[in-house]
Amino acid sequence: GQNIDQPTEMTATEGAIVQINCTYQTSGFNGLFWYQQHAGEAPTFLSYNVLDGLEEKGRFSSFLSRSKGYSYLLLKELQMKDSASYLCAVHDQTGANNLFFGTGTRLTVIP
Amino acid sequence: DAGVTQSPTHLIKTRGQQVTLRCSPKSGHDTVSWYQQALGQGPQFIFQYYEEEERQRGNFPDRFSGHQFPNYSSELNVNALLLGDSALYLCASSLAAGTRSYGYTFGSGTRLTVV
Repeated sequence: GQNIDQPTEMTATEGAIVQINCTYQTSGFNGLFWYQQHAGEAPTFLSYNVLDGLEEKGRFSSFLSRSKGYSYLLLKELQMKDSASYLCAVHDQTGANNLFFGTGTRLTVIP
Repeated sequence: DAGVTQSPTHLIKTRGQQVTLRCSPKSGHDTVSWYQQALGQGPQFIFQYYEEEERQRGNFPDRFSGHQFPNYSSELNVNALLLGDSALYLCASSLAAGTRSYGYTFGSGTRLTVV
């Protein structure tokens, strides 16, 4: 089975940096996704980490440590439009390639 | 290039009724996965279809069933609806060998309300 844990809610100030953590336990780990989801909308792809280390993509970066079962999403220069839920999802190869999500972290950016 | 299309967008059903939700995958994708997302929660995996067969199933009762057609489109059926089935139902398409980072594409979902 899969166990994915991330904070439920976070608040940060416009222009600041925020780090959203995710820990996971899974039997068939193949990689880890981060998605952004605005209320009532589809999740949209942010990043995918397979190897240990930091992947940077503009204002967003994602880090993975496979040995620790740990990842984080780093958002820099926060903007009001970054207020959304951020979903950590494990890409699991047990049985079939599939995604298993955490509960999501609802980020609120305040002026 | 069309993405994933889901229909209907919104649906209201009465407890005990049956519902069918539809999904057309992204062009070139052959695998469809269905997720249930309750308000304030992350998506929960229901099942995945490939080659017209259910390939993997999450922890959902038999009231939830599905089908995949030769053109890779898929349906999710829920029988004997319960109030707790109210949720956003998401469809994601991918390639069977989809380990690429951009391999999963989500539809906008169907918002099901059971009253």
